[in-house]
Amino acid sequence: ETGVTQTPRHLVMGMTNKKSLKCEQHLGHNAMYWYKQSAKKPLELMFVYSLEERVENNSVPSRFSPECPNSSHLFLHLHTLQPEDSALYLCASSQEIIAGELDTQYFGPGTRLTVL
Amino acid sequence: AQSVTQPDIHITVSEGASLELRCNYSYGATPYLFWYVQSPGQGLQLLLKYFSGDTLVQGIKGFEAEFKRSQSSFNLRKPSVHWSDAAEYFCAVGAVTFSGGYNKLIFGAGTRLAVHP
Repeated sequence: ETGVTQTPRHLVMGMTNKKSLKCEQHLGHNAMYWYKQSAKKPLELMFVYSLEERVENNSVPSRFSPECPNSSHLFLHLHTLQPEDSALYLCASSQEIIAGELDTQYFGPGTRLTVL
Repeated sequence: AQSVTQPDIHITVSEGASLELRCNYSYGATPYLFWYVQSPGQGLQLLLKYFSGDTLVQGIKGFEAEFKRSQSSFNLRKPSVHWSDAAEYFCAVGAVTFSGGYNKLIFGAGTRLAVHP
């Protein structure tokens, strides 16, 4: 399988559930990202991992907990979510070259999350 | 602060007509610019990008974009639209950090394109 994959594609959960989103990239990249896409709002960057180290956490509530066990896998652990957390969660990856340069981000298909 | 503006929220064109989607950015240095397309229920697919060099950039699916520094614009164009082009289009600027070694994309709000037969 090529590119960036995400599972599950759809998830419905109650506010008391615990679930995890999974992202896997097959591009040999060393940086991975979580974005949140809500209706009528621009994409919001949530977390950035570079070389398996979290380098950015954009004031995301603690009910979202990322994990990056290696450069190919990224998880987003969810617990006690709120209905306003319902959104499309997108994973992306890129190849970080050196500071001051930028590489293209490639996106997965997303997980559509509904919180009841 | 860096920002991206896509002035048109919705655009409707007839199949076979030409298309131009507008994008204006605010960024202090030479920008890295991108256009992505998102079909319903899907992730973002890269259409094209500008890093440097020729200001007219060719992309996939017959799209092109022109970087105009004086206007801070990076408009997307296609000479003849197909029904399958109906989707949402996002312009993004890449913000480079000189410490930390990672990049950040700042997205516009998107333009939803509808194509009439």
